[in-house]
Amino acid sequence: DPKIIQKPKYLVAVTGSEKILICEQYLGHNAMYWYRQSAKKPLEFMFSYSYQKLMDNQTASSRFQPQSSKKNHLDLQITALKPDDSATYFCASSQGNNQAPLFGEGTRLSVL
Amino acid sequence: QQKVQQSPESLIVPEGGMASLNCTSSDRNVDYFWWYRQHSGKSPKMLMSIFSNGEKEEGRFTVHLNKASLHTSLHIRDSQPSDSALYLCASRGSALGRLHFGAGTQLIVIP
Repeated sequence: DPKIIQKPKYLVAVTGSEKILICEQYLGHNAMYWYRQSAKKPLEFMFSYSYQKLMDNQTASSRFQPQSSKKNHLDLQITALKPDDSATYFCASSQGNNQAPLFGEGTRLSVL
Repeated sequence: QQKVQQSPESLIVPEGGMASLNCTSSDRNVDYFWWYRQHSGKSPKMLMSIFSNGEKEEGRFTVHLNKASLHTSLHIRDSQPSDSALYLCASRGSALGRLHFGAGTQLIVIP
């Protein structure tokens, strides 16, 4: 059974719309992350949360907003979608900062 | 500029052969290196980690680290077709958990 659940697996959106990517982890980890991977760029850090608090933010655009309603949830809201946002978005988690993050299976987003 | 440089971009080895992958960080604050493997259409899976100078071996996989030059390498002996994947090197240069990934080395093992 997957320990990090990302929903949906595939997502198609139109330019200008808004989507929420869901992530839940059942590993008891206290740190959660979002990474993005596209054909144009390598795997890229976006956000990190520890105990539901934002610790680090690499994303310049305010169109990307993480949301943590529970300690094992870290969703990603993306507004005003652009074709350049097309990528696979990976949620990850770890127990503390010294442990290698474990990645979910990703949400593949296509913006038309 | 990319903080983590990996070489080569792609590598073809015969089954049973040795694959050697390289990774260098430009961040003088880096303290941890990880190697991940990503099969096509799948998520990255952590393969090995190294934090201290020297060598670490796990089965067919050996990782080296030279902290002075911020260079790490991954060696896969007796390569198998199932080893064909994108190998990602990641470094951490802060206490906040952010990992910097290289662009990866695409390894193809030919039967």
